Amino acid sequence: AQSVAQPEDQVNVAEGNPLTVKCTYSVSGNPYLFWYVQYPNRGLQFLLKYITGDNLVKGSYGFEAEFNKSQTSFHLKKPSALVSDSALYFCAVRDMDSNYQLIWGAGTKLIIKP
Amino acid sequence: DTGVSQNPRHKITKRGQNVTFRCDPISEHNRLYWYRQTLGQGPEFLTYFQNEAQLEKSRLLSDRFSAERPKGSFSTLEIQRTEQGDSAMYLCASSYLNRGRSTEAFFGQGTRLTVV
Repeated sequence: AQSVAQPEDQVNVAEGNPLTVKCTYSVSGNPYLFWYVQYPNRGLQFLLKYITGDNLVKGSYGFEAEFNKSQTSFHLKKPSALVSDSALYFCAVRDMDSNYQLIWGAGTKLIIKP
Repeated sequence: DTGVSQNPRHKITKRGQNVTFRCDPISEHNRLYWYRQTLGQGPEFLTYFQNEAQLEKSRLLSDRFSAERPKGSFSTLEIQRTEQGDSAMYLCASSYLNRGRSTEAFFGQGTRLTVV
C-alpha cells in the first residue's frame, strides 16, 4: 500500500537556525512528491514538488527539499528559519494507481521562536 | 484574484439541515477535487471531476454527500441531513491535466462547516 509518513508532530526551531521537516514515503514505482503549507484557517499552499531530475528541489519562500531514493525520504529544509514560517506542513505523494489522488501525511506543526 | 475560490468561508448549520458549498477553480483547470480536513489531520479525498465528468465518487463519506460540476467550471458539494460529525473544513482544489500528466493541485481557502 502506498503511504506517507511525517514522523514528527511538531518541530521547534529558533529564528535564524536551519530547519528540517521530515517525510518518508512508500510507493510502487517512481514517486511524485509534494510539500504544501497551511497557515491557520487557510487552505493549502503549494511549496514544491519532485517529479524527476535533480534530487534537490527548490520551492517557494526559500524552502527546498531533498529527494533520497535509497532512504525513501523527501525532507523539507530551509537554511534560515523565519517566525513567519510557523505553520502546518504536509507532505504528499501522488497515488500512482489512480494518477489523480494525493496521499497525505498527517502534517507537522512547525514553530519558529524569536 | 485568479486562484481557487470557495464560498462560503464559514457555515454554521443545525443538525439535520442541508448545506451546499461552491468552488470556483482556476479558469483553465480541467480537474477539480473535493477534500475534507479535520483538525490535526491531512486532507481526506472525497471526489474529483475531469471537466464535467465525476470520475471518482466512491470515497464520498456517505450517500448524504453529493457533488456536481454541471458545466465543467464551478462545482458544488452538498451534504444532506447534516450530522455533528460532518463538522470539518471542506477544501476544493484544481489542476490541469495535459497529455496524461497533471500539474500540482492548487487549493482554495476552504469552507469551515460547524454543525450544532
